[in-house]
Amino acid sequence: AQSVTQLDSQVPVFEEAPVELRCNYSSSVSVYLFWYVQYPNQGLQLLLKYLSGSTLVKGINGFEAEFNKSQTSFHLRKPSVHISDTAEYFCAVSDLNQAGTALIFGKGTTLSVSS
Amino acid sequence: NAGVTQTPKFQVLKTGQSMTLQCAQDMNHNSMYWYRQDPGMGLRLIYYSASEGTTDKGEVPNGYNVSRLNKREFSLRLESAAPSQTSVYFCASSEQIYEQYFGPGTRLTVT
Repeated sequence: AQSVTQLDSQVPVFEEAPVELRCNYSSSVSVYLFWYVQYPNQGLQLLLKYLSGSTLVKGINGFEAEFNKSQTSFHLRKPSVHISDTAEYFCAVSDLNQAGTALIFGKGTTLSVSS
Repeated sequence: NAGVTQTPKFQVLKTGQSMTLQCAQDMNHNSMYWYRQDPGMGLRLIYYSASEGTTDKGEVPNGYNVSRLNKREFSLRLESAAPSQTSVYFCASSEQIYEQYFGPGTRLTVT
């Protein structure tokens, strides 16, 4: 069965610093990949997605992620973070070989941006 | 276009009480889902409905039942609430295996 590992549970950074949130998934031939953000006391909002095509995917709020099939990774990056990026971030995978199932989520990474 | 709506937003129950969490979506999606979110556990799937008229168990179905009332609505029922069911519950919908759209959540406390 598919699984997702977010390698860091908490990432503290200073404002305007770059950040990378790491995500690995278990091997599969075909997957769709997603990053979601959850601001305090809110639901999840889609940041970006990889379905096919270019391995570098750009999302909202200046975030981007790179799909690396050989390393089964989908790391999220932002070159310069803001205080408002403080939130919890979830990586998720949809296994195309298991039709009809829901997304598999990682346990989340809390990004804390301070001044 | 409200997206995914959930009611209630907050609920406090006593052990053994029952309640139903309501979810509705106006995006004409076929698939709907119920998750629970607990600290350090991420989101865990309780039940899902791939299409109207079908429901399937997820990772943590014990103690819950669901009803896919029609294409728009998917409810989650706790028949006899337990403190272990204290959590934040999210409903989501999607078109097949593509991205899911989430509701704002229901914060449930069972005392």
